[in-house]
Amino acid sequence: AQSVTQLDSQVPVFEEAPVELRCNYSSSVSVYLFWYVQYPNQGLQLLLKYLSGSTLVKGINGFEAEFNKSQTSFHLRKPSVHISDTAEYFCAVRGSARQLTFGSGTQLTVLP
Amino acid sequence: AAGVIQSPRHLIKEKRETATLKCYPIPRHDTVYWYQQGPGQDPQFLISFYEKMQSDKGSIPDRFSAQQFSDYHSELNMSSLELGDSALYFCASSLKTGNTHFGQGTRLTVV
Repeated sequence: AQSVTQLDSQVPVFEEAPVELRCNYSSSVSVYLFWYVQYPNQGLQLLLKYLSGSTLVKGINGFEAEFNKSQTSFHLRKPSVHISDTAEYFCAVRGSARQLTFGSGTQLTVLP
Repeated sequence: AAGVIQSPRHLIKEKRETATLKCYPIPRHDTVYWYQQGPGQDPQFLISFYEKMQSDKGSIPDRFSAQQFSDYHSELNMSSLELGDSALYFCASSLKTGNTHFGQGTRLTVV
């Protein structure tokens, strides 16, 4: 079984500032890692994923994440946020079974 | 590109009634998943189907059942609805080695 911990439930940040959303996971098997974004009353949109290879993965909307196996982390970063980045962000893990296990989510609020 | 289609988008039911949610996966995707997202909660896995056979089961109540049909669409049936069943229900589909694509969800409100 695997689990995901998102350490911050709310992250307020000013526009054009950098942001990091933290995600730690635990699993007894190799995992695939994902970040999804959810806008109000919308579905889940894939931002980026780590399957294998380079530990730094780049996604849509200028986001990137770094897989750190020793720290079992997969933190999401963006060097300069925009008002339109305001949304809920979910870290997710997929192990031997194909369904996703989600973290509790981080609400990113970008302030003008 | 075609996405995962869910219907209806919104549904209001009374306690003890029955609801049926439909999902049309992306063509040629071999796996369908159902998730439940309560208010302010993360999505919780309910059940999945691989090539029309149930493959995994999560925290799905006994009052709920699901199936996948020959045309690959799936239905989630919920009976004896309770207030606590009010949630956003997502369907998702994937290929064995591909990304999981989510639908827009069905918002179920039980009154």
